[in-house]
Amino acid sequence: DAGVIQSPRHEVTEMGQEVTLRCKPISGHNSLFWYRQTMMRGLELLIYFNNNVPIDDSGMPEDRFSAKMPNASFSTLKIQPSEPRDSAVYFCASRTGLAGYNEQFFGPGTRLTVL
Amino acid sequence: AQSVTQLDSQVPVFEEAPVELRCNYSSSVSVYLFWYVQYPNQGLQLLLKYLSGSTLVKGINGFEAEFNKSQTSFHLRKPSVHISDTAEYFCAVSGSGAGSYQLTFGKGTKLSVIP
Repeated sequence: DAGVIQSPRHEVTEMGQEVTLRCKPISGHNSLFWYRQTMMRGLELLIYFNNNVPIDDSGMPEDRFSAKMPNASFSTLKIQPSEPRDSAVYFCASRTGLAGYNEQFFGPGTRLTVL
Repeated sequence: AQSVTQLDSQVPVFEEAPVELRCNYSSSVSVYLFWYVQYPNQGLQLLLKYLSGSTLVKGINGFEAEFNKSQTSFHLRKPSVHISDTAEYFCAVSGSGAGSYQLTFGKGTKLSVIP
């Protein structure tokens, strides 16, 4: 299995531009998570999907952030408009089922820099 | 809600020396506990997890952790570290009840192995 795939791996953009991050979960996994990692705040859960349905988006920082999962094999995280404080590494993770004991498998992350 | 405290942000240790990375958690319910490792420019991968049963848990790469309920701790240990163990280590907690899907991560501990 190829694992969780994220693209792009690096993104540099200017303030005000739209940014779209992409994630392909592991085949057969029905739960998907988006995280943001910064030096100051560590790893933060942004949103969680189960069976393509958003279950908890309380971690999404502002209305500028939106996430979709149109099917079981693809999800996007969009920031519009982007701001310098959005600079971070964004991780996607997937796992089977709802139970908290199941391992989450992380992608390699997208390093976003907003100038 | 749960929280995780990793007391040391950085731990330098000489090669072949033992190491302990400390983790304390707070929760009003029973928990599952995890240690993840992040190598430079990579996503997180699971080292080990405690779900129930024996309080001493063995993981990959020679690491082990001990769950101590009375001290609400889950410290990670390795008797002899290698250069390749240089990475950031994250302790994480999840509630064990129904609907407890979320992983809460600590801020991480950077382990630097000195030749």
